[in-house]
Amino acid sequence: GQQLNQSPQSMFIQEGEDVSMNCTSSSIFNTWLWYKQDPGEGPVLLIALYKAGELTSNGRLTAQFGITRKDSFLNISASIPSDVGIYFCAGPPWTGNMLTFGGGTRLMVKP
Amino acid sequence: NAGVMQNPRHLVRRRGQEARLRCSPMKGHSHVYWYRQLPEEGLKFMVYLQKENIIDESGMPKERFSAEFPKEGPSILRIQQVVRGDSAAYFCASSPRPYNEQFFGPGTRLTVL
Repeated sequence: GQQLNQSPQSMFIQEGEDVSMNCTSSSIFNTWLWYKQDPGEGPVLLIALYKAGELTSNGRLTAQFGITRKDSFLNISASIPSDVGIYFCAGPPWTGNMLTFGGGTRLMVKP
Repeated sequence: NAGVMQNPRHLVRRRGQEARLRCSPMKGHSHVYWYRQLPEEGLKFMVYLQKENIIDESGMPKERFSAEFPKEGPSILRIQQVVRGDSAAYFCASSPRPYNEQFFGPGTRLTVL
């Protein structure tokens, strides 16, 4: 089945640092979604991207839809302790409709 | 505007029993999706339903698992004769349009003893 490769798998950073994570696919995606999941909770939608090249911000978060339609990245600026959690990329590939999830990036922030 | 609601949040069953998980979508959403998540893994699609119809069940095991979304009431994911390998977190999501942005509920954590 369709796979999304998300990297890094985990990050341990100091509070105040910027964070970057990305997601790649071997096939074209027509939408990219970024979710955050806190322990014991469901994923929360952070940013949705619909067009190649699109750059969208949500507070300290910025995400971009890659020009090739096969990748996306998420940046978090000036990280704070509550940014801790698992970040997932997701999207429906061009050839299908179902939402496929990446394996997640586990973010840990040291105060 | 309440979000997606799931109950119970935690469910413990013995092997061979039935598990019934409920999901109420966000108001105005008629598209419901069920996902399964094992510890330290991403979410795996199971089934997509609209009111009274199963649209795509390609991710759902053919035996013991069933799902419904009746005209009235919540969507139900039913697991019959549970086995230890069914232990996982089951998430429901809803969207206002097909395959659109999906909003997730808090999940039901199923433990099979």
